[in-house]
Amino acid sequence: KNEVEQSPQNLTAQEGEFITINCSYSVGISALHWLQQHPGGGIVSLFMLSSGKKKHGRLIATINIQEKHSSLHITASHPRDSAVYICAVGYEKLTFGTGTRLTIIP
Amino acid sequence: DGGITQSPKYLFRKEGQNVTLSCEQNLNHDAMYWYRQDPGQGLRLIYYSQIVNDFQKGDIAEGYSVSREKKESFPLTVTSAQKNPTAFYLCASSQGQGTEQYFGPGTRLTVT
Repeated sequence: KNEVEQSPQNLTAQEGEFITINCSYSVGISALHWLQQHPGGGIVSLFMLSSGKKKHGRLIATINIQEKHSSLHITASHPRDSAVYICAVGYEKLTFGTGTRLTIIP
Repeated sequence: DGGITQSPKYLFRKEGQNVTLSCEQNLNHDAMYWYRQDPGQGLRLIYYSQIVNDFQKGDIAEGYSVSREKKESFPLTVTSAQKNPTAFYLCASSQGQGTEQYFGPGTRLTVT
């Protein structure tokens, strides 16, 4: 069993839909990271959180430490949100999930 | 513009040759990391360095070597001992343990 599991693996939605990507982890953590990887391969850090909720524009990340679960939400999704979203946990060394491939159709 | 640069973006080598991937950052970050990404797998840590002139093995260090002679530079050498070197390699940096990591654009290495 992977230490970090994401669901779904693939998600296709229509433009404007509310998107939820989930991340469950089995290890103790100090922080959880949400990353975005575009088709060219470059990775951008979206959030780092250790409790509660963070919001940036149309993106919202939540974490429940007791349940070892985090969600990434995208409101009013747009085709430019199409990317792979990666969850990672750890402190000095990160353990990564395998990613959720999101495709938003115009 | 502050950031991380990796060069080249695409690299082709013959089997048996060593190859060095470049990673430079001008963010004044103490920590730097090398990751490998394979299709269908999460990123895996190859080596990391928390400070100049010091580095530690990650989860898959066999067949790789690094140096950290300058704060801004952390080159990765893929040696001929690495059995499956074809992969996408990502470099990252951070201010230190437990802080946000910033990633470079990656180098796609193909060994034939």
